[in-house]
Amino acid sequence: AQKITQTQPGMFVQEKEAVTLDCTYDTSDPSYGLFWYKQPSSGEMIFLIYQGSYDQQNATEGRYSLNFQKARKSANLVISASQLGDSAMYFCAMREEFSGGYNKLIFGAGTRLAVHP
Amino acid sequence: GAVVSQHPSWVICKSGTSVKIECRSLDFQATTMFWYRQFPKQSLMLMATSNEGSKATYEQGVEKDKFLINHASLTLSTLTVTSAHPEDSSFYICSAPDTQYFGPGTRLTVL
Repeated sequence: AQKITQTQPGMFVQEKEAVTLDCTYDTSDPSYGLFWYKQPSSGEMIFLIYQGSYDQQNATEGRYSLNFQKARKSANLVISASQLGDSAMYFCAMREEFSGGYNKLIFGAGTRLAVHP
Repeated sequence: GAVVSQHPSWVICKSGTSVKIECRSLDFQATTMFWYRQFPKQSLMLMATSNEGSKATYEQGVEKDKFLINHASLTLSTLTVTSAHPEDSSFYICSAPDTQYFGPGTRLTVL
């Protein structure tokens, strides 16, 4: 079963506008973490933001915020004041942390964001 | 934060040759390292988990004889693609468990 779903293959946004990238997840573990990564054309995976399943507040990191709706199992990324340099592929990922040992990240299919001047 | 390096950043090889990719943890010790593969325009998929002092754990469908993983020390894990073929051309990236950090990746092109 698909554990991480990103329904938007591509998104366009005007520079300086805000944009929301969707992510829904599926898990039966009570303890998990949700991540967003940016992957520019160079290929490196740049960590943006993390939300723990028990965190009461939505995570924020500068222009990035995570709209965490636990009951809906969604973890949308909001980028405010888009910049041309935000154009990249964005991946949502989940790590189930209930079981012991090291747990892998499970990635969604990604959303390609294009910021237009 | 945890810094992970990879070498080489890109490699082009002939079909049938073997290629070794190194993943190093620069400012921490790692008893485990994850290896991911990303085909063009696709997402990252976990290939295997390297374990210092024991055998690597491979994900279903990944040929362990083709993708040799060795966790040589607490700071070095290597992935060797043996007898590479064009279908092995991909982006290979390692990650330190329990951190959010990835290596910069290695782009392999097999001619």
